[in-house]
Amino acid sequence: QLQLQQSGPGLVKPSETLSLTCTVSGGSISSSTFYWGWIRQPPGKGLEWIGSSYYSGSAHYNPSLKSRVTISVDTSKSQFSLRLDSVTAADTAVYYCSSQDYFYGMAVWGQGTTVTVSS
Amino acid sequence: DIKMTQSPSSLSASVGDRVTITCRASQSISRHLHWYQQKPGKAPSLLIYGASSLQSGVPSRFSGSGSGTDFTLTIRSLQPEDFATYFCQQSDSSPWTFGQGTKVEIK
Repeated sequence: QLQLQQSGPGLVKPSETLSLTCTVSGGSISSSTFYWGWIRQPPGKGLEWIGSSYYSGSAHYNPSLKSRVTISVDTSKSQFSLRLDSVTAADTAVYYCSSQDYFYGMAVWGQGTTVTVSS
Repeated sequence: DIKMTQSPSSLSASVGDRVTITCRASQSISRHLHWYQQKPGKAPSLLIYGASSLQSGVPSRFSGSGSGTDFTLTIRSLQPEDFATYFCQQSDSSPWTFGQGTKVEIK
């Protein structure tokens, strides 16, 4: 059964880079037909799609974050990663990784990482 | 961006009640609509994909319907474990977007 395990720091300083990693187990990151992506949820608020990438590197991003975000896939490690540059307090949120498909939805989720942007 | 609007934003219901949540898209999204359940402190969990297909392992009391711009999630007989927040999400057009959520509380 496909599982996703997130890792990364919970505290990031303003203007620095947020980096999170999601490790895929129970299935192959490079043989799947869906995308690998990230969603975030600010405290007490709704869900925001950040973006996703196919294992080959073809990615698409939310335009609201596009200038600051990179999602990459490392098939050798069965991992995909989120990089968000120049963070501010507005980027404080719980970040989730997930499998993503336009027809089958987001079927598998990581456990979530609470990231606080503060000096 | 396609705006997804859920109603109501919250509701109070009793165990055994039939509950209906609606989701409206700002433009047609065919059947590229999915429903999620989220409990406090947990990741969302997929309930329904493709507007009406039940995700494996999800109880049959959950059902979805609709196409185009108007969609419905129905819980046939509310159980204690169903008190949670429910979100719809469209995947027809990038950026994928979510509804604001519907919180189902105990009456």
